[in-house]
Amino acid sequence: QVQLVESGGGVVQPGRSLRLSCAASGFTFSSYGMHWVRQAPGKGLEWVAGIWHDGRDTYHADSVKGRFTISRDNSRNTLYLQMNSLRAEDTAVYHCAKDSRYCTNDVCPFDYWGQGTLVTVSS
Amino acid sequence: DIQMTQSPSSLSASVGDRVTISCRASQSISTLLAWYQQKPGKAPKLLIYKASSLESGVPSRFSGSGSGTEFTLTISSLQPDDFATYYCQHYNAYTWTFGQGTKVEIK
Repeated sequence: QVQLVESGGGVVQPGRSLRLSCAASGFTFSSYGMHWVRQAPGKGLEWVAGIWHDGRDTYHADSVKGRFTISRDNSRNTLYLQMNSLRAEDTAVYHCAKDSRYCTNDVCPFDYWGQGTLVTVSS
Repeated sequence: DIQMTQSPSSLSASVGDRVTISCRASQSISTLLAWYQQKPGKAPKLLIYKASSLESGVPSRFSGSGSGTEFTLTISSLQPDDFATYYCQHYNAYTWTFGQGTKVEIK
């Protein structure tokens, strides 16, 4: 069965960096686009970044553009999110999510999500 | 940027009730809309894609409708397992935008 397991979260000071990982199993990782979606405490879902199945193209929300970078290693079945210049407003649970096959114009909703890893930005 | 607005933000209902949640897009998005269910401390679950297509394994009491700017998620007969928060999501042009969520609580 499909499993997505995030790791790398923790408490970090403002301005510092953190790298999140998402280990994927149960499907052909290299065939699907992947995403990071975050959820601030008690708040709704916010898409953060997405990457094509082969890593050729990436997309980032305006709120993180220039600070966060999504990447993947298909040989390791792992998705990453490099987060630099962290701010208090980046505090959230970060979920990785997999593209479904229900795509239109190469854009798809997400059919599997991980449980998430908590990032807390605080001095 | 397209904004997605859900209403209501929360509702109270009883088991067996018919529940309707609305999602409005700030401009036409055709049928490029999904609905998700999220329970506390859990990952979201895909319910509906392309506005009205039911994801495999999702009970038939869930249905979606709409196109353009107005969309609806309907639960025909609310069950105890359905108390959760529901999100709509627009997906297109390499952007994915969620509504703010609707929390369905027990009356």
